[in-house]
Amino acid sequence: GAGVSQSPRYKVAKRGQDVALRCDPISGHVSLFWYQQALGQGPEFLTYFQNEAQLDKSGLPSDRFFAERPEGSVSTLKIQRTQQEDSAVYLCASSFFGTGGDTQYFGPGTRLTVL
Amino acid sequence: AQRVTQPEKLLSVFKGAPVELKCNYSYSGSPELFWYVQYSRQRLQLLLRHISRESIKGFTADLNKGETSFHLKKPFAQEEDSAMYYCALSGIGGSEKLVFGKGTKLTVNP
Repeated sequence: GAGVSQSPRYKVAKRGQDVALRCDPISGHVSLFWYQQALGQGPEFLTYFQNEAQLDKSGLPSDRFFAERPEGSVSTLKIQRTQQEDSAVYLCASSFFGTGGDTQYFGPGTRLTVL
Repeated sequence: AQRVTQPEKLLSVFKGAPVELKCNYSYSGSPELFWYVQYSRQRLQLLLRHISRESIKGFTADLNKGETSFHLKKPFAQEEDSAMYYCALSGIGGSEKLVFGKGTKLTVNP
């Protein structure tokens, strides 16, 4: 079946612009996660949804970052007034239940470059 | 803070040689440990997790709580094993978020 999809795959933004990154999880998956992966680093947790509820946003680096999942399916990560340090690959993952040991399935990522 | 350490950024072995990718973690509770792999031009995917105690593609990993380690091993490396490997843990404070190490790039030479 279809896996997690993300769009756009690449995004170039000028410093100060707002961007919106989309994630389509696997159908029926309850939990959705966003991670940020800087060059040469492992993915770092940003935020987590269970259905439409945002249960953990402790990883969002600043109030310029905002995520939503209004109908418990598609999610959007929005970054306002982008800065150069926001350049990274943004990964989305979904899991069926989000319970202990549950497999997270990752999307291909969106590579954001802020000039 | 909870942390996952992969001490080797790069690891190079010859085909048929044994390979061990090291992973140490710091967490006082009972974590769930995983190995994720990313092959060239592919997405990150689960390789194995400790609760399953399984062997995938010839790889195994044993959780050693005393040494807080979860090293990944394979007795005979293959060229197709060349990839980026990430160790990760979850279950911190009941959260399902994954905490990743920085990764080890494994190259298996012919």
